[in-house]
Amino acid sequence: DAGITQSPRYKITETGRQVTLMCHQTWSHSYMFWYRQDLGHGLRLIYYSAAADITDKGEVPDGYVVSRSKTENFPLTLESATRSQTSVYFCASTAGNDEQYFGPGTRLTVT
Amino acid sequence: QKEVEQNSGPLSVPEGAIASLNCTYSDRGSQSFFWYRQYSGKSPELIMFIYSNGDKEDGRFTAQLNKASQYVSLLIRDSQPSDSATYLCAVNNNNDMRFGAGTRLTVKP
Repeated sequence: DAGITQSPRYKITETGRQVTLMCHQTWSHSYMFWYRQDLGHGLRLIYYSAAADITDKGEVPDGYVVSRSKTENFPLTLESATRSQTSVYFCASTAGNDEQYFGPGTRLTVT
Repeated sequence: QKEVEQNSGPLSVPEGAIASLNCTYSDRGSQSFFWYRQYSGKSPELIMFIYSNGDKEDGRFTAQLNKASQYVSLLIRDSQPSDSATYLCAVNNNNDMRFGAGTRLTVKP
């Protein structure tokens, strides 16, 4: 099916572990984004990518790493997870017209 | 600091009434403005976008933008119980998208 998917949908990990969240879109959109959503803060941009091999920091990039070797994939890695990274993570994409479409989200718990 | 402010609510309106949601933003360089609807446990869903000052209508939804006042609003006419959700205002400046924390709307039958 066309669209944007995220995996896993739920993840529990321990403090200090590395974890990678996957995002895949089938629209061939140029731009992809990672957000986190926390109560009281709304959605905050972590990283975005304008095209394959082009990434840039958003509002809250510390503790996260991204890569984009293929247009359709935009994985987000937490190099050493901390409890403060417990959140719901959303991936989004756009063709460049600003209208972002969101994936279903990944609920991450760091214990 | 680029901020987007929304009244957190909850905003409660009776079925069939007009719901009015408001949003202010601090970044004068903002170029595009969006309203997303988010049901509990779900991802945000784009419902309206507006780029120019004035009103934009789409079905029961009207977005209003006043760049001079740094103000965006969303009107929902003939509100339905299915409109009960959290509405997120988003403001974009060169792919730096900032979201408000959302307004929770409840439409009572």
